Amino acid sequence: DTEVTQTPKHLVMGMTNKKSLKCEQHMGHRAMYWYKQKAKKPPELMFVYSYEKLSINESVPSRFSPECPNSSLLNLHLHALQPEDSALYLCASSHLMDSFNYGYTFGSGTRLTVV
Amino acid sequence: GQQVMQIPQYQHVQEGEDFTTYCNSSTTLSNIQWYKQRPGGHPVFLIQLVKSGEVKKQKRLTFQFGEAKKNSSLHITATQTTDVGTYFCWGKTSGSARQLTFGSGTQLTVLP
Repeated sequence: DTEVTQTPKHLVMGMTNKKSLKCEQHMGHRAMYWYKQKAKKPPELMFVYSYEKLSINESVPSRFSPECPNSSLLNLHLHALQPEDSALYLCASSHLMDSFNYGYTFGSGTRLTVV
Repeated sequence: GQQVMQIPQYQHVQEGEDFTTYCNSSTTLSNIQWYKQRPGGHPVFLIQLVKSGEVKKQKRLTFQFGEAKKNSSLHITATQTTDVGTYFCWGKTSGSARQLTFGSGTQLTVLP
């Protein structure tokens, strides 16, 4: 299995809703990531988990809450989002040795619209 | 944070023409990666360069890492319509785990 699976593929939520994005990989990768991508822009790093522990939080607002229940799963909990949070949310994983990233495998993303 | 500049932002070529995109960093990179994102798709890993002056080839694609490890290029020979997409570089600053950034991307359009 060489894939990163993300669900749902599309999500429309109101500003008062709570929702979660899910990501799963079975490649034995011990680093997992959340990226946010706006149209015609590069992916922006949000969070990095290394060996199931949060290692990087790129000053992301607290309305985004990541969770890594085990080495194969990564969640992003969403609460009280703003319309400007609408974007493609990409999960990625990679082998990690001595902080050396051997290349991301990205999921197909969740296209989020906040109304 | 670290800035990785990528040029050009857009490139339109006729099918069969060559294409090159460049990444430049203000600081030395420990490694650089290249990704391709098709329209409506997600980034797909193409290659990683680690050594100063390294050159790698994948069929019609040639990747180079500069001698000073501050710049890199991706060259496509004889473009095809399947090459359409946005090409991103990704670089990591030497000695830091936090400086992880994608270049701004080059959007390639190939006209048949």
